Amino acid sequence: AQSVTQLGSHVSVSEGALVLLRCNYSSSVPPYLFWYVQYPNQGLQLLLKYTSAATLVKGINGFEAEFKKSETSFHLTKPSAHMSDAAEYFCAVYGGSQGNLIFGKGTKLSVKP
Amino acid sequence: EPEVTQTPSHQVTQMGQEVILRCVPISNHLYFYWYRQILGQKVEFLVSFYNNEISEKSEIFDDQFSVERPDGSNFTLKIRSTKLEDSAMYFCASDTSSTDTQYFGPGTRLTVL
Repeated sequence: AQSVTQLGSHVSVSEGALVLLRCNYSSSVPPYLFWYVQYPNQGLQLLLKYTSAATLVKGINGFEAEFKKSETSFHLTKPSAHMSDAAEYFCAVYGGSQGNLIFGKGTKLSVKP
Repeated sequence: EPEVTQTPSHQVTQMGQEVILRCVPISNHLYFYWYRQILGQKVEFLVSFYNNEISEKSEIFDDQFSVERPDGSNFTLKIRSTKLEDSAMYFCASDTSSTDTQYFGPGTRLTVL
């Protein structure tokens, strides 16, 4: 069965610092992996997705993620944090034949000035 | 840009009452989903819906839950007799295929007293 684990429920960085949000997956088949972001009082917005093409995936707002099969990881990074990046980030994997997503517990990112 | 909408944004109900949560998916999408997020927990899949029938459902989606697409635009989730543990944020999502990107609505916060 597919699953994802997000390490760290809360990450705090300074503005301009590197953002690294960790996600490890478990999948019996080649996975489709996603990162979603949730701003306060808003829905889930897709940041990027991996669908077995390039292992380095670029998303919106300067985020990217690298699929590493050997480490079963799909960590999200951004070189320089901005105050507007403060939000909750969810890693997800396709779980079923009809495309239901299985989410991690989420990581709340705080950005200090 | 087209978006998924949900109403109401917040619903308060008494235990044992029926509630209907409404969603308007993106107009050319064919697959529809409901997820829920209990406060402090991960986003969980409830049900997927395609071609006017349920295609997959989770263990959470028991006989108290039902979904319907009553017309060409709305997609509803009904909880027949709400329990305290049904208090959560409920998200609707849609996409064009079961392996494409799911677009999420802003959610309905359900509070059962």
